[in-house]
Amino acid sequence: DEQVVDSGGGLVQPGGSLRLSCATSGFTFAGHWMTWVRQVPGKGLEWVANINQDGSEKYYMDSVKGRFTISRDNAKNSQFLQMNSLRAEDTAVYYCARFHYSGMDVWGQGTTVTVSS
Amino acid sequence: QSALTQPRSVSGSPGQSVTISCTGTASDVGGYNYVSWYQQHPGKAPKLLIYDVNKRPSGVPDRFSGSKSGNTASLTISGLQAEDDADYYCCSLAGAFYVFGTGTEVTVL
Repeated sequence: DEQVVDSGGGLVQPGGSLRLSCATSGFTFAGHWMTWVRQVPGKGLEWVANINQDGSEKYYMDSVKGRFTISRDNAKNSQFLQMNSLRAEDTAVYYCARFHYSGMDVWGQGTTVTVSS
Repeated sequence: QSALTQPRSVSGSPGQSVTISCTGTASDVGGYNYVSWYQQHPGKAPKLLIYDVNKRPSGVPDRFSGSKSGNTASLTISGLQAEDDADYYCCSLAGAFYVFGTGTEVTVL
């Protein structure tokens, strides 16, 4: 069964850091682009970042460029999102997802990040 | 990176068809055949319904179909069922990044 499990969320003060993890199983992780998507409770989905199969290509939404870093470890079938200089507006549920062509077809359950003093 | 425009809500009776529009620009929807659609029930992760404008992943009923004309993509749900009551989002490649739609609440009357 193809699975993605997000973890690492929590409560952090403004300016702080968190590292989200995404453990995958049941598919060839190294064969897929991966992505992070976030959602403020009660609001819409927002794409955050992408990484290609070998980690050589990374793309970010403008508001997180220079603060967030996406990475992956193909040997451990995992991807990560290092989030620095966190702001209140980064508060959201963060989802890890697998790309299948242009669609995100396997999603984690989401991990909640709350930025507050 | 402006969100794609979707109607806030649509509704229909069981068995009817509804269509959700997703309007962007030539830099996103109009520029690529890389539009996807997602269904999300409250408290759940999104589920992929359509990718590459009109392709359905295995397991998605053929009641769900996608199309595109110019800068507007559409999702049609035929034969509306009670379990289709959910939020729906479109998404498009936009150069080096992706952009989601504003989301549409579908209500099955």
